[in-house]
Amino acid sequence: EVQLVESGGGLVQPGGSLRLSCAASGFTFNTYSMNWVRQAPGKGLEWVSYISSTSSTIYYADSVKGRFTISRDNAKSSLYLHMNSLRAEDTAVYYCTRECCGDSSRSYYFDYWGQGTLVTVSS
Amino acid sequence: DIQMTQSPSTLSASVGDRVTITCRASQSISSWLAWYQQKPGKAPKVLIYKASSLESGVPSRFSGSGSGTEFTLTISSLQPDDFATYHCQQYQSYWTFGQGTKVETK
Repeated sequence: EVQLVESGGGLVQPGGSLRLSCAASGFTFNTYSMNWVRQAPGKGLEWVSYISSTSSTIYYADSVKGRFTISRDNAKSSLYLHMNSLRAEDTAVYYCTRECCGDSSRSYYFDYWGQGTLVTVSS
Repeated sequence: DIQMTQSPSTLSASVGDRVTITCRASQSISSWLAWYQQKPGKAPKVLIYKASSLESGVPSRFSGSGSGTEFTLTISSLQPDDFATYHCQQYQSYWTFGQGTKVETK
C-alpha cells in the first residue's frame, strides 16, 4: 500500500524557516517524481514544487521561487521542503504528492497524496 | 501560465440528481486534465485523468469529457458520499488547479 506521511509543520514567525519531510513507503520511491502542493485555509489547491526521480530537474511556483528548496533522499525514501523567509501568505496545509506513472518525459497528474501538514506563519 | 476556471463555485443538489461541473483552461491543454474529490480535513483523491479516464476503484457514476479548453465532470446519480469539493487540474504545462466546486445538499 502506497503511503506518504508528512511531518514538520507548525507555527513559525514571519521571516522564519521550517523544513517539511515526507516519508514514502509501499512503492519504489526512486522511480517516481514527487511534488508539494499547498492549500491555504478555505482556499483552493496550489502547486508549489516538483522534483524528478533523480533530482536532476526541479521546478518551483513563482510564489515560492528563491525562498523554498525541494530535495529528496532516495536511500531514505524521503522528500523534503526547506522553507525560508516565510510570509503570512504561506500559511497552508502542505501535501506531499506522487506524480503518476514513473515517466519523466512529461508531467502527469498526482495519484497519491499524503494527509498534509499545517504550516502557520504568524507573530 | 495556464489558468483554470471552474463553475459553479457552489452547487446545491439532492441524492439521485445528475450533477455537472465545468472547467475551462486559458489555453489548449489537449486532454491533460484530472479531476479530484476532496472531503473536509482530507487530502484530495483522483477520480478522472486524461480528461475521461476513470481511476481504478472510482465508481462508474463519475465520468469526464472534453478536450482543448473546455471540460466537464459528471456524476450521473449523486450519492450521499459524493457531497464534497471537486477540483480540476491541468498538467499540460506544469500544474494548475481550478478554484474548486463545492457540492452541497439542497
